[in-house]
Amino acid sequence: DTAVSQTPKYLVTQMGNDKSIKCEQNLGHDTMYWYKQDSKKFLKIMFSYNNKELIINETVPNRFSPKSPDKAHLNLHINSLELGDSAVYFCASSHLNYGYTFGSGTRLTVV
Amino acid sequence: AQSVTQPDIHITVSEGASLELRCNYSYGATPYLFWYVQSPGQGLQLLLKYFSGDTLVQGIKGFEAEFKRSQSSFNLRKPSVHWSDAAEYFCAVGAGTSYDKVIFGPGTSLSVIP
Repeated sequence: DTAVSQTPKYLVTQMGNDKSIKCEQNLGHDTMYWYKQDSKKFLKIMFSYNNKELIINETVPNRFSPKSPDKAHLNLHINSLELGDSAVYFCASSHLNYGYTFGSGTRLTVV
Repeated sequence: AQSVTQPDIHITVSEGASLELRCNYSYGATPYLFWYVQSPGQGLQLLLKYFSGDTLVQGIKGFEAEFKRSQSSFNLRKPSVHWSDAAEYFCAVGAGTSYDKVIFGPGTSLSVIP
């Protein structure tokens, strides 16, 4: 039973489209995150939710909008996709900051 | 500013040899320190963490790390590397609450020669 699952695993789309990535965790963790990993493997936090409340909102374009319907789910919607949005997006969850459990990632390719 | 450096971008070792991956951090408060491993095409997996207490921590897969406050370092070690250890390794630093960001280092890519 996958602890943190995100879908889809791969996403290829054209510039200007809108797309969503979904994430679910069954660990009972109170905090969920979105990280972006670029082509050089650098990981940067984008958003964090604690019990459905947005607590970290890094400097990302407002085309990116997270949504947490409940504490087990955190989705990421991206409007008007650009070439520079191509990356691997990771969802993660944690209890306090005792270490993250990551999903397997969504590789987004914008063409 | 909070930061994590991993001085070695890429390391190659022979199978059976010992391994040490370096990590230095800059953090204003008492740090929570982590090492993660990422195999190709996979998400990151937590190897070990340090919060307090014994400065030598044991993790999964035979890894250990030592926290040295005076050197702001948290180096990862393994006495005998296996071919399956080839992966990307990330050091990370944060604090104890969910409201604090965890900052990841740039990663060290490990290759293992059979």
